[in-house]
Amino acid sequence: KNEVEQSPQNLTAQEGEFITINCSYSVGISALHWLQQHPGGGIVSLFMLSSGKKKHGRLIATINIQEKHSSLHITASHPRDSAVYICAVVKGAQKLVFGQGTRLTINP
Amino acid sequence: DTEVTQTPKHLVMGMTNKKSLKCEQHMGHRAMYWYKQKAKKPPELMFVYSYEKLSINESVPSRFSPECPNSSLLNLHLHALQPEDSALYLCASSQTGTGGYEQYFGPGTRLTVT
Repeated sequence: KNEVEQSPQNLTAQEGEFITINCSYSVGISALHWLQQHPGGGIVSLFMLSSGKKKHGRLIATINIQEKHSSLHITASHPRDSAVYICAVVKGAQKLVFGQGTRLTINP
Repeated sequence: DTEVTQTPKHLVMGMTNKKSLKCEQHMGHRAMYWYKQKAKKPPELMFVYSYEKLSINESVPSRFSPECPNSSLLNLHLHALQPEDSALYLCASSQTGTGGYEQYFGPGTRLTVT
């Protein structure tokens, strides 16, 4: 079993819908990252969380340390949000352990 | 400047070639990372440099040889690679290597080994 599990693996929605991507992990962590990767490769860091909730524009990330669970929400989704979203946890001092990613497609 | 740059963008090399990948950042970050990413898979950590010293080697074959000449620059020297080494190679940096800092990723070098 992977140490970091994301769901769903693939998600297709219509423009404007509210999107939720979930991440569960089974190891002790010091922080959790949400990353976005567009086709072509570049990875952008969206959030780094160690507790609570963060918001940036239409994106919201939450983490529940006791439940070992994090969610990424996108409000008013747009086709430009189409990308792979990756949850990664900080294990030990320096190592990022990645989930398998969620491929999001937003149709106009 | 919050950019990590990587060169080249694309590289095709034969199994007997020697080539190098280059990564540069000017954010004053003291930790730098190499990742390998196969298609439709998440990145896999290869190496971590912290304060210009190699701190993590994830049992990477010796045909991959990292080098950190200074705090802004990270190289990955490639020699006698195999076709299965074809992948996207991503570099990242963070303020320090203690894990509690955001990692900034470069655009990657897409490597094809023929």
